[in-house]
Amino acid sequence: DAKTTQPPSMDCAEGRAANLPCNHSTISGNEYVYWYRQIHSQGPQYIIHGLKNNETNEMASLIITEDRKSSTLILPHATLRDTAVYYCIVRVEARAQKLVFGQGTRLTINP
Amino acid sequence: KAGVTQTPRYLIKTRGQQVTLSCSPISGHRSVSWYQQTPGQGLQFLFEYFSETQRNKGNFPGRFSGRQFSNSRSEMNVSTLELGDSALYLCASRPGQSHSPLHFGNGTRLTVT
Repeated sequence: DAKTTQPPSMDCAEGRAANLPCNHSTISGNEYVYWYRQIHSQGPQYIIHGLKNNETNEMASLIITEDRKSSTLILPHATLRDTAVYYCIVRVEARAQKLVFGQGTRLTINP
Repeated sequence: KAGVTQTPRYLIKTRGQQVTLSCSPISGHRSVSWYQQTPGQGLQFLFEYFSETQRNKGNFPGRFSGRQFSNSRSEMNVSTLELGDSALYLCASRPGQSHSPLHFGNGTRLTVT
């Protein structure tokens, strides 16, 4: 599976857009990009996933570069409740039940 | 729709004992996976069950086992507990045959003393 690289921590002001980058330069053609987040003492929460097209749902947007070597998760209007560790995972969708979590990005939303 | 439910939420056991954790997946989900989360190792895959059969297994000793029932509910068992087994144990479910992602429960916090 392709390895992902994320910054260990980021800060964002409440109400602003939070843009979380992820590098996955060795991604292969059939690997999807998944994003999860984990708030302290809770289980990881699924946010969004995509293959090559940009995706948007009620929580976030996922922008994948044309060469698919990197992606950005966008939380359009961050709130204090978005403070969490965000994980970017690359995986063949058929094996998405066995996710390999890295260290993620600790996002802090400041008032 | 109710989410993934794990019981108990907290558990304290002594070294050498065994423990059984329970997971009820989202209704209609047939695949259940288990993960262990520790501060040092992060989130690690334990095993996955689909239609009562283990389909994948992570790199854990045989003391860690699991099973799935016909109603898709799952249990995991850890025998001969060690201090290092103290962790948050997470269960996740997905439909199994569709392309949906995993949905996690809030875990069982196991402390071994």
